[in-house]
Amino acid sequence: GAVVSQHPSRVICKSGTSVKIECRSLDFQATTMFWYRQFPKQSLMLMATSNEGSKATYEQGVEKDKFLINHASLTLSTLTVTSAHPEDSSFYICSARPPSGSSYNEQFFGPGTRLTVL
Amino acid sequence: DAKTTQPPSMDCAEGRAANLPCNHSTISGNEYVYWYRQIHSQGPQYIIHGLKNNETNEMASLIITEDRKSSTLILPHATLRDTAVYYCIVSDSGYALNFGKGTSLLVTP
Repeated sequence: GAVVSQHPSRVICKSGTSVKIECRSLDFQATTMFWYRQFPKQSLMLMATSNEGSKATYEQGVEKDKFLINHASLTLSTLTVTSAHPEDSSFYICSARPPSGSSYNEQFFGPGTRLTVL
Repeated sequence: DAKTTQPPSMDCAEGRAANLPCNHSTISGNEYVYWYRQIHSQGPQYIIHGLKNNETNEMASLIITEDRKSSTLILPHATLRDTAVYYCIVSDSGYALNFGKGTSLLVTP
């Protein structure tokens, strides 16, 4: 299957700072990427849908000014958590889907980024 | 997206087949059935998906009932490394995946 990477895998930051998480599709182009977060002992929750070259679509309850998403190329989407607070501590996971017409019909997930805000 | 219902947990002895059920009675005609699993502190791993027909790959088999209202994921020879949370998701192929609570599978020696 296709490979999606995330960087960093783990980050610890102080309250009030901003953190950028990168999501890359390594062997395919992804016009659409998705960002999820997962709190302890809970399931993945969709935060936003990131489309290359256009603004992201955020799920209800997710602050677009706090979670900035940029999808500047077909292989890279970034999520910036601005002015992070302890309640933003979570496991952030991205996924990417190869374009329609490819041999894949499924999404591929990155390994996740563990964010801890002190 | 249609919702799914899965048992919260299951046990399976190592080497035996693990059969994980999923109900999706409100699935629509263009929605696929996807199975992913998540090992602790890792991103979800794709296992298999299908639309109408049964599917098999190197990891598992997917059996979908004729009315498409339920399916079963079969791990033919479970190993300890198959211990994970298994998610059954129904979705159009181009959309985000709606993860429910999944089934926590424990494979025991």
